[in-house]
Amino acid sequence: QVHLQESGPGLVKPSETLSLTCTVSGGSISNFHWGWIRQPAGKGLEWIGRIYNSGNTKYSPSLESRVTMSVDTSKNQFSLELSSVTAADTAVYYCARGRPADGQTLIDYWGQGTLVTVSS
Amino acid sequence: DIVMTQSPDSLAVSLGERATIKCKSSRSVFYSPNSRNYLAWYQKKPGQPPKLLIYWASTRESGVPDRFSGSGSGTDFTLTISSLQTEDVAVYYCQQYSGSPPYTFGQGTKLEIK
Repeated sequence: QVHLQESGPGLVKPSETLSLTCTVSGGSISNFHWGWIRQPAGKGLEWIGRIYNSGNTKYSPSLESRVTMSVDTSKNQFSLELSSVTAADTAVYYCARGRPADGQTLIDYWGQGTLVTVSS
Repeated sequence: DIVMTQSPDSLAVSLGERATIKCKSSRSVFYSPNSRNYLAWYQKKPGQPPKLLIYWASTRESGVPDRFSGSGSGTDFTLTISSLQTEDVAVYYCQQYSGSPPYTFGQGTKLEIK
């Protein structure tokens, strides 16, 4: 059974960079897509982006200028960086696995989620 | 962006009764070359991550009870729970994974026991 676990600071100051890592266990990071979704309190789910183990990325256009994703196959980890954060970036951040689905990506496993608060 | 709109926002159903949740997309998520609808349903319980229930609009994920079913095509989709159980209390989300990002979610439907 695949298990995903997010890690990183729970508090980030405005204008700084949010950095999260997702560690994958119970399966290889190869041959799947890996992504991030977030959910502000009381709001819906927002897809942030995904990365393939080759490094190929797709980001949400609304966040693309601030997002960077990377993957470290040797550690079975992938990461999210979101720069110039504001209070609007406060949310529960989920990492997730995507399986290839006829040219697209279907999210099939999610991490437990980690709350990141942007505040001074 | 494709906007996904679910209805209702919340729903209370008696145990053993049918629960129906609707999802409407602002553009078709049907891809004619492979005749697939790029639409998934997820279940989220408090303190747990979302769980994939249905993909391709109507294909149940392995291990999902057969009381869960999905239907629809194009822009209009339905998730049906044929006989509600206590463990089905959750928030349900639809998501489109068609075309270019972002792969948007519905706002969620909260399902409770009446």
